[in-house]
Amino acid sequence: KAGVTQTPRYLIKTRGQQVTLSCSPISGHRSVSWYQQTPGQGLQFLFEYFSETQRNKGNFPGRFSGRQFSNSRSEMNVSTLELGDSALYLCASSLFGTGTEAFFGQGTRLTVV
Amino acid sequence: AQSVTQLGSHVSVSEGALVLLRCNYSSSVPPYLFWYVQYPNQGLQLLLKYTTGATLVKGINGFEAEFKKSETSFHLTKPSAHMSDAAEYFCAVRAGLIQGAQKLVFGQGTRLTINP
Repeated sequence: KAGVTQTPRYLIKTRGQQVTLSCSPISGHRSVSWYQQTPGQGLQFLFEYFSETQRNKGNFPGRFSGRQFSNSRSEMNVSTLELGDSALYLCASSLFGTGTEAFFGQGTRLTVV
Repeated sequence: AQSVTQLGSHVSVSEGALVLLRCNYSSSVPPYLFWYVQYPNQGLQLLLKYTTGATLVKGINGFEAEFKKSETSFHLTKPSAHMSDAAEYFCAVRAGLIQGAQKLVFGQGTRLTINP
């Protein structure tokens, strides 16, 4: 059974640009959650999608958005990038939701310069 | 609100020694608790989880954790450390009352170093 796939693994962007990250969950999982990991703030919840609907959102500005497609694949978009957006972005896949057993991808390392 | 405190940002043990990583939680509802491990440049891998039932939970790679409600703790242990256990470990608690409005709240992590 394939795991959670995140692409790309590494990204370098310039301040002010926008970026899109992709996550393919485990087959059959309808919940995809996104987390941001930084040395200073640790792991923080961004949002969760379930069956193409956002059903939970963390305390991040509106520059952070996402969507989920009918095949459960999810994308996360960050607009007007800031230096502080440099982080490891992790996607978690689960059957029932991120509060249950969640399986994480390897992450996308975003560097904003 | 649910929260997690991991005591000790760095723990160093000798190969073959006992590993003990401490986690205390705060939750207004019966908690679901998790331990994840992260190797360098990797994502998180689930080690074990506690939802209900038996309070001593066994996970992968020889790790186990015991849920102690009276102490609000969920410490992770392994009887004998191996070099391959060197990694960062995260304790997490489920936050939110309603399915669909839940998330994982993580501790700040404990970096485990194994000395030969």
